[in-house]
Amino acid sequence: DGGITQSPKYLFRKEGQNVTLSCEQNLNHDAMYWYRQDPGQGLRLIYYSQIVNDFQKGDIAEGYSVSREKKESFPLTVTSAQKNPTAFYLCASSMGATDTQYFGPGTRLTVL
Amino acid sequence: RKEVEQDPGPFNVPEGATVAFNCTYSNSASQSFFWYRQDCRKEPKLLMSVYSSGNEDGRFTAQLNRASQYISLLIRDSKLSDSATYLCVVNPNNQGGKLIFGQGTELSVKP
Repeated sequence: DGGITQSPKYLFRKEGQNVTLSCEQNLNHDAMYWYRQDPGQGLRLIYYSQIVNDFQKGDIAEGYSVSREKKESFPLTVTSAQKNPTAFYLCASSMGATDTQYFGPGTRLTVL
Repeated sequence: RKEVEQDPGPFNVPEGATVAFNCTYSNSASQSFFWYRQDCRKEPKLLMSVYSSGNEDGRFTAQLNRASQYISLLIRDSKLSDSATYLCVVNPNNQGGKLIFGQGTELSVKP
C-alpha cells in the first residue's frame, strides 16, 4: 500500500521533555510538510522540505526541529522550548512544491 | 484580514438539501485552490481542486472567481456521510508549496 504513515497515533509528554514524531512516505514524493492543528483553527505550517537534506521554516517553527536525511522520512522533534505543544500534528507530502498535498493520519500530542 | 477566510458555520441541513460554502483569499497572486474534507479527529483529505473554469464531481461543484478572490463549494442532495468540516485551501505557489488553510466550515447533515 502506498501512503503516508505517522507514529505514534497518540503521544503523552511531560513538560521539559523533547519528543520526536515520525513521518514516512512511500509515494516517492520530493516535498514533505509538517502542520499543527489546534481546535477550531486552520492548519499552520511548522516546517517543510522540498528536497533531501534541505528544509525551511514555516510560520510557527519556534520550538520545533526537523531533519530530512532520506527522501521518505521527515521526523519532527518537539522541543521543551515549544510553549504550547499540545495539538494535532499532521505530516503531508507532495510530488513537487506546486502539487497536491496528501496527509498522514496525524499524531495527537498531549503535554501532561 | 486573514489570508483565507471561510463561512463560520456550523451548517445544519436536512438530507437532500443543497448547501453552499464560501471562501475568500487575500493574496491575488495565488495560483492553486482546493477544497479538503476533514472528518472529526482525522486528517484532511482532498475533495477537489478548483479551476478557473469551475469543476464538478458528482454532487460537488467548485467555482473560482479570481476578480473577487472568492471560491465556493456547492453540495447537492446532501447525504448523512457528507457531515464533516470543509477546508478551503490556497497555495500561493510562490512560497515553496506552503498551503494556506481556512479555519474550516462544519457541516452536519441530519436525517
